[in-house]
Amino acid sequence: AQSVAQPEDQVNVAEGNPLTVKCTYSVSGNPYLFWYVQYPNRGLQFLLKYITGDNLVKGSYGFEAEFNKSQTSFHLKKPSALVSDSALYFCAVRAPGGNTDKLIFGTGTRLQVFP
Amino acid sequence: GAVVSQHPSRVICKSGTSVKIECRSLDFQATTMFWYRQFPKQSLMLMATSNEGSKATYEQGVEKDKFLINHASLTLSTLTVTSAHPEDSSFYICSARDYGGNGYNSPLHFGNGTRLTVT
Repeated sequence: AQSVAQPEDQVNVAEGNPLTVKCTYSVSGNPYLFWYVQYPNRGLQFLLKYITGDNLVKGSYGFEAEFNKSQTSFHLKKPSALVSDSALYFCAVRAPGGNTDKLIFGTGTRLQVFP
Repeated sequence: GAVVSQHPSRVICKSGTSVKIECRSLDFQATTMFWYRQFPKQSLMLMATSNEGSKATYEQGVEKDKFLINHASLTLSTLTVTSAHPEDSSFYICSARDYGGNGYNSPLHFGNGTRLTVT
């Protein structure tokens, strides 16, 4: 069964520093990977996705993620963090093929950016 | 961009009563909508897949008689929590996919969630 792991419950980073939020996946076949962000008491907002093509995917708000097949990882990155980036980040995977439309979410990583 | 509207954003009800949550796709047609439940400091748990004009598909362990889902039109799905109890208190989020984009590879669009508190 497909799954996603986010090993860090929380990531703390100073404003202006680069940030990385980790995600690893387990899925048969080629994975379709997504990152979403959730602000307090809100739904999730789409940041970026990897389906195929370049391993480095650029998304909203200056975020990017690198797909690494050999390490089965899809870490979220940003070169320079902002205080406003503080939120809960979810990695998700959808298995390709068939008619399944479900996303499997990781447990989330809370990003705290300090001024 | 595609917008999903969820209502109400907060609801407090007494134990034993029923609560209805609405999820609307505002600028696209959603043949399929998804209902998630989120516990504090936990991930989203998919409860059910709502299919327009047909029965919802429930995930294992989710009581379909307790969480009634109706998807009567291409823009509206409702989740009714029947005979609510305090353990049903949670954050419920709906989502939908605009298949007119990249089909199954289009991102999900989420509502802002409903915080249900059962007293």
